[in-house]
Amino acid sequence: QSALTQPASVSGSPGQSITISCTGTSSDVGGYNYVSWYQQHPGKAPKLMIYEVSNRPSGVSNRFSGSKSGNTASLTISGLQAEDEADYYCTSFARSSTWVFGGGTTLTVL
Amino acid sequence: QVQLVESGGGVVQPGRSLRLSCTASGFTFSDHAMHWVRQAPGKGLEWVSFISYDGTRKYYADSVKGRFTISRDSSRATLYLQMNSLRAEDTALYYCARDLTNFYSFDYWGLGTLVTVSS
Repeated sequence: QSALTQPASVSGSPGQSITISCTGTSSDVGGYNYVSWYQQHPGKAPKLMIYEVSNRPSGVSNRFSGSKSGNTASLTISGLQAEDEADYYCTSFARSSTWVFGGGTTLTVL
Repeated sequence: QVQLVESGGGVVQPGRSLRLSCTASGFTFSDHAMHWVRQAPGKGLEWVSFISYDGTRKYYADSVKGRFTISRDSSRATLYLQMNSLRAEDTALYYCARDLTNFYSFDYWGLGTLVTVSS
């Protein structure tokens, strides 16, 4: 149950696009289309932003999109806004019916 | 609206036990699988445990297997986490989260309850 690999931090200016990667193995990200992404503002509970690799829950802005290639999933945020500044976590269903999270990425909007 | 409210956290000595509860409302509790996820202070999220909608399937992270037990009481719409043989590394904010059926993700979260393991 090793954690998925995410960059510690990313940054972008308002209006720009950024992408956060999430790298696992064939036992998790590469083996299942059950990657999800969560946004967490300081002191708040996580919020589901993307599920099943690329699906957005109702109410989540279409500026958020997800994709996957092989063992790496990605979250792209377009048209960056100040309110997007937060920590982002990926997670994947994994072999042995467990879930594994990434270490988290801090997004800074410059 | 969906609400999940955790309780039962506190300060406990290493080796002791604690039971967390998560009371659900705003949805049919017996229709949904549930999870516990924790976050150590200043650290990332860690999945802890899963229980199926009917309580027949239970899964655990290796870090808690054999020490923690997940359970549920649908008559009370409550999820539990019995934590035994607690260690300092179990210190964290414990969230309960609802499973998004068929999609292996967590669609609603509580605000968490803090567990501190310290002598």
